[in-house]
Amino acid sequence: EDQVTQSPEALRLQEGESSSLNCSYTVSGLRGLFWYRQDPGKGPEFLFTLYSAGEEKEKERLKATLTKKESFLHITAPKPEDSATYLCAVQGADSNYQLIWGAGTKLIIKP
Amino acid sequence: NAGVTQTPKFQVLKTGQSMTLQCAQDMNHNSMYWYRQDPGMGLRLIYYSASEGTTDKGEVPNGYNVSRLNKREFSLRLESAAPSQTSVYFCASIRAGAYNEQFFGPGTRLTVL
Repeated sequence: EDQVTQSPEALRLQEGESSSLNCSYTVSGLRGLFWYRQDPGKGPEFLFTLYSAGEEKEKERLKATLTKKESFLHITAPKPEDSATYLCAVQGADSNYQLIWGAGTKLIIKP
Repeated sequence: NAGVTQTPKFQVLKTGQSMTLQCAQDMNHNSMYWYRQDPGMGLRLIYYSASEGTTDKGEVPNGYNVSRLNKREFSLRLESAAPSQTSVYFCASIRAGAYNEQFFGPGTRLTVL
């Protein structure tokens, strides 16, 4: 069964304190792994797509990496505006359109 | 561009009542989705529409129906609401060739008493 597990559930950091969020996945043939950001009371917003192990993508203070079993979202020198819930999703080889979503990691950056 | 819009933003229903959640996108996207989001769980797909006139069931379709009225609009109907359908509902769309870069609406928060 395809599955996505994100850890930790919540993470509190001081402004400038770098850290990583984890997304572990089990899927029969990975077609893509996706990271989204969700602010309170809003819909998710697309960040990255990763397709194969070893691939990396960067956007401002965020860097996503991918291995055969997990993905990390590294946050370097975060600012309070980076506070949000970060969602991970995967698409398996058996699906043309359906994603399997993790429950998310709630990130709080304190000034 | 308004992107993806959803109405209403909030709704309270009594068990057994019916309602339709509206979704529209102005980005000329082909594919549209309906999800529900519950605390501690990932987004779960209710229904999907690859193009105007086509719809497919997702992971949790029971108790719901959908209509792809035209390319812009994709509605979700609850015929007889149940407390288990209390959730936040999101509509999303994808442009052709964007490979699952989904654009989400702001959501509808539904409570069924």
